[in-house]
Amino acid sequence: DAGVIQSPRHEVTEMGQEVTLRCKLISGHNSLFWYRQTMMRGLELLIYFNNNVPIDDSGMPEDRFSAKMPNASFSTLKIQPSEPRDSAVYFCASSLANTPSYNEQFFGPGTRLTVL
Amino acid sequence: AQSVSQHNHHVILSEAASLELGCNYSYGGTVNLFWYVQYPGQHLQLLLKYFSGDPLVKGIKGFEAEFIKSKFSFNLRKPSVQWSDTAEYFCAVATNAGKSTFGDGTTLTVKP
Repeated sequence: DAGVIQSPRHEVTEMGQEVTLRCKLISGHNSLFWYRQTMMRGLELLIYFNNNVPIDDSGMPEDRFSAKMPNASFSTLKIQPSEPRDSAVYFCASSLANTPSYNEQFFGPGTRLTVL
Repeated sequence: AQSVSQHNHHVILSEAASLELGCNYSYGGTVNLFWYVQYPGQHLQLLLKYFSGDPLVKGIKGFEAEFIKSKFSFNLRKPSVQWSDTAEYFCAVATNAGKSTFGDGTTLTVKP
């Protein structure tokens, strides 16, 4: 299996532009997590889905952020409009949930976002 | 809601020194416990995990962790660190709901 796939790996954009980050889950996994990592704030959970349904979006910073799972294997995280303070590494992770032995999360390589 | 506390933010050791990183969690029910490692410039990878059974768990690269239920702790240990262990280490707690709560991380620097 290729593991969790994220694209793009690097994104540089200007303030005010729309940014879309993409994530492909590991085949057979049913939970998807979006995290943001910065030096100042560490690793933050933004939102997670279980069986395509958003379960907890309390970590989404504000209305400029939105996430979707159009199907069981794919998710997008959109920032519109982007701001310099959104600069971070965004990780996507997947797991097979609802089974105690399968709460391990598999992380993608991350997208390094720079907003100028 | 569960929470995870990692006591050490930054640990600096010389090669061959022993390592222990503290992790405490708060949750009254059944938990799954994890340690993840993030090498510089890379993504998080699983180091070891505890679900049930023997509370002493062995992971990759000579790491181990001990689950002490009475202390709500899951400390990570390695008897002799190497320069290549320089990384950030995250403790995480998951319940059957599927969500993991991560600690703030501990940065380990091993001096050659």
